Amino acid sequence: DGGITQSPKYLFRKEGQNVTLSCEQNLNHDAMYWYRQDPGQGLRLIYYSQIVNDFQKGDIAEGYSVSREKKESFPLTVTSAQKNPTAFYLCASSIYIRGGQPQHFGDGTRLSIL
Amino acid sequence: KQEVTQIPAALSVPEGENLVLNCSFTDSAIYNLQWFRQDPGKGLTSLLLIQSSQREQTSGRLNASLDKSSGRSTLYIAASQPGDSATYLCAVLSPNSGGSNYKLTFGKGTLLTVNP
Repeated sequence: DGGITQSPKYLFRKEGQNVTLSCEQNLNHDAMYWYRQDPGQGLRLIYYSQIVNDFQKGDIAEGYSVSREKKESFPLTVTSAQKNPTAFYLCASSIYIRGGQPQHFGDGTRLSIL
Repeated sequence: KQEVTQIPAALSVPEGENLVLNCSFTDSAIYNLQWFRQDPGKGLTSLLLIQSSQREQTSGRLNASLDKSSGRSTLYIAASQPGDSATYLCAVLSPNSGGSNYKLTFGKGTLLTVNP
């Protein structure tokens, strides 16, 4: 079945540590996205990518980094510069970034601080 | 700046009731509006997508309407069931002058509980 796979489901970060969240899709979608969800808040866009080797900052990119070396993969690194990383992280994809195409979501990664 | 508001924040109903969830947005220049369902600890599942030129979309017991000029959408759930219990999120796709061409803006969601 086609879909988006995020791993791990739960992740713990120590102070000063960088951690990487995985997102893989087999939907052959060009566009991929990373969102952060905090309790009582809507989803906020961290980074997005329209095509391989291209990515753009979203609304809350500080303290995060991404890469898009392959069409099917869009990993997110939460760096030590992100001072409040505890949140639920969601990866999404769409056929392309132009309007009219729905976004499909993975099951998320919950990141906590040790 | 586009803002999306969902009312109510939480709703509890007995099984079998018909119900309406509301979504409003501040900028009517949208490309589409999407309703999602989110179960606890899970990702989002797309329920319905309404293009800006459409007035409504239906899928089974769900019906979503869009009034772009007034900045409103409603999600109607007929004959609610306990399995419908989840958080329902509304999101609008609109132009973004900040760098990307388009931006999906989410509401905070309505937590629905359907009691047996």
